[in-house]
Amino acid sequence: AQSVTQLDSHVSVSEGTPVLLRCNYSSSYSPSLFWYVQHPNKGLQLLLKYTSAATLVKGINGFEAEFKKSETSFHLTKPSAHMSDAAEYFCLYSSASKIIFGSGTRLSIRP
Amino acid sequence: DAMVIQNPRYQVTQFGKPVTLSCSQTLNHNVMYWYQQKSSQAPKLLFHYYDKDFNNEADTPDNFQSRRPNTSFCFLDIRSPGLGDAAMYLCATSRDLDTRYEQYFGPGTRLTVT
Repeated sequence: AQSVTQLDSHVSVSEGTPVLLRCNYSSSYSPSLFWYVQHPNKGLQLLLKYTSAATLVKGINGFEAEFKKSETSFHLTKPSAHMSDAAEYFCLYSSASKIIFGSGTRLSIRP
Repeated sequence: DAMVIQNPRYQVTQFGKPVTLSCSQTLNHNVMYWYQQKSSQAPKLLFHYYDKDFNNEADTPDNFQSRRPNTSFCFLDIRSPGLGDAAMYLCATSRDLDTRYEQYFGPGTRLTVT
């Protein structure tokens, strides 16, 4: 069965330092994987997507993610955190018949 | 700007009193989705419409219904809200089912049940 696991429910980093949000998946098929961001009291916004093209995917706001099949991972990174990055981040798995959200990671940014 | 609009942003209803949440879109997308999101949890898909074709998730309670009178509008009806139905309700659209991974979300309606 397909599944998505976000390993950290909460990540806190200082402004200007790197961000790493972890996502692992389980699937028998070649997955399509996505990251969405949700700011407080807002809807979700697509950050980036992997659909079997380049394994390193660049998204909006300086975020990127690398698909690693050997590690079944799709971790989200950003070289330098900004205060406006504080939000909830969801990893998403998609197949022809299913969408599965991870449980989310809340990112806090310390001044 | 093309967008997904949800009204109202905040809704308070009484236990057992029917309530309707509204979603409209200017994207002209074929698919519209309703999600329930409880505090600190991922969104949970309730159902979706592909054009006029309604698709209910297997574990969506009968208490939740939906209507899509035209391409632009979709409504979520909760027939007899319970305290456990208090949540953020998110509407989303996608151009087609094969682009379901790229969804455009509205800001949500936060439902309080008293």
